[in-house]
Amino acid sequence: SQKIEQNSEALNIQEGKTATLTCNYTNYSPAYLQWYRQDPGRGPVFLLLIRENEKEKRKERLKVTFDTTLKQSLFHITASQPADSATYLCALDTGANNLFFGTGTRLTVIP
Amino acid sequence: SQTIHQWPATLVQPVGSPLSLECTVEGTSNPNLYWYRQAAGRGLQLLFYSVGIGQISSEVPQNLSASRPQDRQFILSSKKLLLSDSGFYLCAWRGVSGNTIYFGEGSWLTVV
Repeated sequence: SQKIEQNSEALNIQEGKTATLTCNYTNYSPAYLQWYRQDPGRGPVFLLLIRENEKEKRKERLKVTFDTTLKQSLFHITASQPADSATYLCALDTGANNLFFGTGTRLTVIP
Repeated sequence: SQTIHQWPATLVQPVGSPLSLECTVEGTSNPNLYWYRQAAGRGLQLLFYSVGIGQISSEVPQNLSASRPQDRQFILSSKKLLLSDSGFYLCAWRGVSGNTIYFGEGSWLTVV
């Protein structure tokens, strides 16, 4: 079965720095890879999707890369702000009906 | 626009009691529907998904069941709850031609 690992359970960074989160997966490559944000006690909210034939995708201060050779996606938040503090989940979409989530990285941006 | 409603938001149930969590989606037709569970400090575990009325796929064999009596209604049930059923349950939907999954606000279940 597909296994998804997010590099660290928690990440603390200083405000204004770039946060980099890692998502690694095993087995077959997904058709899409998605990133979600989850605040405590809330449902996840979609942020970005990147397709297997795309190397990079950007949205405002967010950037996602996708390396199918390394089986890895990197999620960057530039000029981080305390409001960016949340848990970030990567999810693999096989193009079928399922979306498999990693365990998440809890990001804390320190003022 | 599409919305997803999930209830109840919080419940505390004794071991051995039944469970019913309900989810409805508005503003779309024939969505794929999902039930996920998130235990404390754990990732999202896919429990069930449905591509149509009466069509349920189970990802993890367990004490729970799901039903889809109407196109935009998805119900998670149990006849007898276990302590290990405690967790944060999330309903979600995805359009047939879409990729993004949209989540409800979740239901906190504590089995005591």
